Amino acid sequence: QVHLQESGPGLVRPSETLSLTCIVSGSFISNGYYWGWIRQPPGKGLEWIGSIYLSGNTFYNPSLRGRVTISVDTSKNQFSLNLKSVTAADTAVYYCVRDGFPGDPFNWFDPWGQGTRVTVSS
Amino acid sequence: SSELTQDPAVSVALGQTVRITCQGDSLRNYYASWYQQTPGQAPVLVFYGKNNRPSGIPDRFSGSSSGNTASLTITGAQAEDEADYYCCFRDSSGDHVVFGGGTKLTVL
Repeated sequence: QVHLQESGPGLVRPSETLSLTCIVSGSFISNGYYWGWIRQPPGKGLEWIGSIYLSGNTFYNPSLRGRVTISVDTSKNQFSLNLKSVTAADTAVYYCVRDGFPGDPFNWFDPWGQGTRVTVSS
Repeated sequence: SSELTQDPAVSVALGQTVRITCQGDSLRNYYASWYQQTPGQAPVLVFYGKNNRPSGIPDRFSGSSSGNTASLTITGAQAEDEADYYCCFRDSSGDHVVFGGGTKLTVL
């Protein structure tokens, strides 16, 4: 059974870079799926951030492109999120997910990590 | 437009059937996926594609699509189905993913 676990600081100062890591267990990260990040601001809905394949190919939400970088480390079976120049609007619970793309069907995210809360504040 | 519209709140009597809808022009050509989120928990995939239910999801959850509307139907709603439900659209390019605003389901 695939299990995802996020880790990283819970507090980031404005203008700095938010960095999170997702450790994958129960499956090799190189097994043909994309792996992604989704976030949820307090009391609000879900927002896809982006996804990465083992080859390094990435998709990013256009609204975050330019600030976001997702990378993968197959040797550690983990992938990471960097979001630079953060503001209070980036305060959210951040989830890592296995991404169904480019399977058939391809529109699904499962499973999800438990989520990690990140607050942007000075 | 790539926006997805969901009713903010829906209620259903225990044991009855409820349909949660998701509207958007993008859904005319692609199937939605559906996620259930209970308070304080991560979302869980409950239905995707034309007719796909993940392992462990009760068969009272089903999905359908017509025109610009995707629907998640719960047949015989249970108390544990009370949650927020989100629909999601993705196109075949892979880099266009949109979630609906969510529907809060109350089981009376």
